[in-house]
Amino acid sequence: QQQVKQSPQSLIVQKGGISIINCAYENTAFDYFPWYQQFPGKGPALLIAIRPDVSEKKEGRFTISFNKSAKQFSLHIMDSQPGDSATYFCAASISGTYKYIFGTGTRLKVLA
Amino acid sequence: EPEVTQTPSHQVTQMGQEVILRCVPISNHLYFYWYRQILGQKVEFLVSFYNNEISEKSEIFDDQFSVERPDGSNFTLKIRSTKLEDSAMYFCASGSTGGSYTFGSGTRLTVV
Repeated sequence: QQQVKQSPQSLIVQKGGISIINCAYENTAFDYFPWYQQFPGKGPALLIAIRPDVSEKKEGRFTISFNKSAKQFSLHIMDSQPGDSATYFCAASISGTYKYIFGTGTRLKVLA
Repeated sequence: EPEVTQTPSHQVTQMGQEVILRCVPISNHLYFYWYRQILGQKVEFLVSFYNNEISEKSEIFDDQFSVERPDGSNFTLKIRSTKLEDSAMYFCASGSTGGSYTFGSGTRLTVV
């Protein structure tokens, strides 16, 4: 119940294309869903986050879509760039616990 | 931009030895965390720390592990008797609230 399932494991996208990464969870107590971007040798960096009271959040080229009834959320990267090539992790947490449960990660490669 | 600083960046230790991983959180943050990432795998929660005590710990965080905030600025993770399976990247994180937080660049621990 504490798992967050993430897919795909790896993704190759042409420059300018849309990258889509999906996550699903079981525990309905989760109420905070961040996405992290990690470059090799670096720590995860917060990209964008959403709470379940909204169905979509957009920041620049990055959008989270959230489907509460399906217990799924996804990250869309519009106009993907080679600089977006990194590993992306979704995560979930419960207010008051403060620990994140991370997905297994998606290695994104954007071809120039 | 404020950052979480971790030292050393890479530590090699012999099995059975004690190691201390050090972190300097962002100065006005109150919540502190350790996570680990075994090579190529997902980021896993180890422990959270608030108000000078452990708030929550995972099943990974057994008696071999301890955390301390010795001087009001550093936050350390000690592994008493390292095992081969402790080899991983260890990330420190800090947050001003219990929600989103900032990760450091990690310490790569190699147990030989």
